[in-house]
Amino acid sequence: NAGVTQTPKFQVLKTGQSMTLQCAQDMNHEYMSWYRQDPGMGLRLIHYSVGAGITDQGEVPNGYNVSRSTTEDFPLRLLSAAPSQTSVYFCASSYSTQGVGEQYFGPGTRLTVT
Amino acid sequence: AQSVTQPDIHITVSEGASLELRCNYSYGATPYLFWYVQSPGQGLQLLLKYFSGDTLVQGIKGFEAEFKRSQSSFNLRKPSVHWSDAAEYFCAVVDLTGGGNKLTFGTGTQLKVEL
Repeated sequence: NAGVTQTPKFQVLKTGQSMTLQCAQDMNHEYMSWYRQDPGMGLRLIHYSVGAGITDQGEVPNGYNVSRSTTEDFPLRLLSAAPSQTSVYFCASSYSTQGVGEQYFGPGTRLTVT
Repeated sequence: AQSVTQPDIHITVSEGASLELRCNYSYGATPYLFWYVQSPGQGLQLLLKYFSGDTLVQGIKGFEAEFKRSQSSFNLRKPSVHWSDAAEYFCAVVDLTGGGNKLTFGTGTQLKVEL
């Protein structure tokens, strides 16, 4: 199993550009989520999904869009990038949607917005 | 709303010394608690978890944590630190409200190990 994979690993965007961060898992996990990590702030939840076709907002959803058309994939879209979105983004998945399962994290995407 | 506090931003210990990383949580019900470790440039790896039962839980790499409900704490310990333990450590609590498996993280503790 590859586990949770994320592409790209690094990305530089100009303000106003859009892009999609890819996340895929091959563990048949129902639950997937996106976090951003900023210095001194830990990880904060952006969006999550409890299954294909179902998504919901986390703590910091503004400026981000998600969809879940398959169990395996959970892309994160930046609609119009802003410098405040400079961060490291982590995707995670879990077999459980009720809190008792371990979450597996991808290696992260480091995004810089200039 | 739930929250997690890690009061120590940085900790430095000598190799072979014992380690305790502090974590305090705020959650209305019985919490599900986790400790994760992040090596530089890497994703997060689960060290251990507490769901219920025995309040002393064992994890990987020789780590353990003790859940103390009266103190709302879930401190991470290791009897003898190795240089390879240098990393950032995150405590987290699961928020089950509204469905889903949402983690709320503390701000992390950066561990430096002196040889």
